[in-house]
Amino acid sequence: EIVLTQSPGTLSLSPGERATLSCRASQSVSSSYLAWYQQKPGQAPRLLIYGASSRATGIPDRFSGSGSGTDFTLTISRLEPEDFAVYYCQQYGSFRGFTFGPGTKVDIK
Amino acid sequence: QVQLVQSGAEVKKPGASVKVSCKASGYTFTGYYMHWVRQAPGQGLEWMGWINPNSGGTNYAQKFQGWVTMTRDTSISTAYMELSRLRSDDTAVYYCARGVQLERLGYYYYYMDVWGKGTTVTVSS
Repeated sequence: EIVLTQSPGTLSLSPGERATLSCRASQSVSSSYLAWYQQKPGQAPRLLIYGASSRATGIPDRFSGSGSGTDFTLTISRLEPEDFAVYYCQQYGSFRGFTFGPGTKVDIK
Repeated sequence: QVQLVQSGAEVKKPGASVKVSCKASGYTFTGYYMHWVRQAPGQGLEWMGWINPNSGGTNYAQKFQGWVTMTRDTSISTAYMELSRLRSDDTAVYYCARGVQLERLGYYYYYMDVWGKGTTVTVSS
């Protein structure tokens, strides 16, 4: 089973700053199988990025994804107040199953 | 618009079962897989499995095999997740999420694009 590790656990930044979130897989993952989600307190997750770098419908272009193999990155170019949330990466892998990373919390510095 | 409406909160005793429903609207129910994902209080997301509403075929995460049952009723565009032999650590919010399997230029993409609001299941004696 592929294990996803996200770092850092918490990222403390100010509005307007750039956020760089990492997702590392225990073995190589096809880029097309990697997605990112945002979750705010009391809400369901929301799809941000699929296929490692394709923005979902309605997602602002300040969100971008990149990476391949075992290392993937979600970048928020300029943090808006509504971007402070928890971010999860997810992969589709062996035995046609899905796994999520433990999440990175982006909070206000 | 595409919507997944889940059933209301449940309180169950240890050892009981719970069945959560997820009614889909705004799209062809049989055209997309349905995933179930749970989140314990203060914890991350845990994928439980999916059902193919077209065939009824399922794929459960190894942890939940023999313990979870996912079904559907295509006549009312509703998916169900039943978890048996509940324990206190099954207390969580249970989400259904529409699963996309997309082929583009020879690549296959898998992700969950629409989520229900979640159903809180509390297991307590």
